Amino acid sequence: ETGVTQTPRHLVMGMTNKKSLKCEQHLGHNAMYWYKQSAKKPLELMFVYSLEERVENNSVPSRFSPECPNSSHLFLHLHTLQPEDSALYLCASSSGTVGEIQYFGAGTRLSVL
Amino acid sequence: DAKTTQPTSMDCAEGRAANLPCNHSTISGNEYVYWYRQIHSQGPQYIIHGLKNNETNEMASLIITEDRKSSTLILPHATLRDTAVYYCIVRTLSGYSTLTFGKGTMLLVSP
Repeated sequence: ETGVTQTPRHLVMGMTNKKSLKCEQHLGHNAMYWYKQSAKKPLELMFVYSLEERVENNSVPSRFSPECPNSSHLFLHLHTLQPEDSALYLCASSSGTVGEIQYFGAGTRLSVL
Repeated sequence: DAKTTQPTSMDCAEGRAANLPCNHSTISGNEYVYWYRQIHSQGPQYIIHGLKNNETNEMASLIITEDRKSSTLILPHATLRDTAVYYCIVRTLSGYSTLTFGKGTMLLVSP
């Protein structure tokens, strides 16, 4: 248990569906991250939030929409996804201080049909 | 952040030491070496990090060469549960920081 909880663990959706991934951290951290891990590819950083403000958007398509309502919660809203968006989506959090360690959730395995 | 080079895969017998190398020849003076691992279908897990001195914690030891161009992660007594992909990451420190993951080393620990 890392203190970062992601739900759901598995999600299957059609290309016309709208769904949301949820991440919650119980570590008192100030920064939260979304990563994408496609099959046989390295983890790719998608978004970074620091103190609930988005500080980095790594050229992610607009069909992925993040939301950080407070420092403990992070969402990734999904709409009109493509089959190539099928991947493991990982959330992480960190204290936001120099040299901090990122703690990852177990991820949501997303399949787009 | 500097680029790292790691072997694609390694094998280790259970109970033996696993020594995972990493080359980071372009590392700059203010960059740290971090190691994470990812067990299949789980999120990455932090292992250890260091600047230039050797470091040890309950999980592993990190040996950094004097010129800082390479390092070795040592798991002193590997178990089957240590089978995972191990990532060596070089990064500067900042108020918040991102991790750039490469392909890592797939360590297979066998009975």
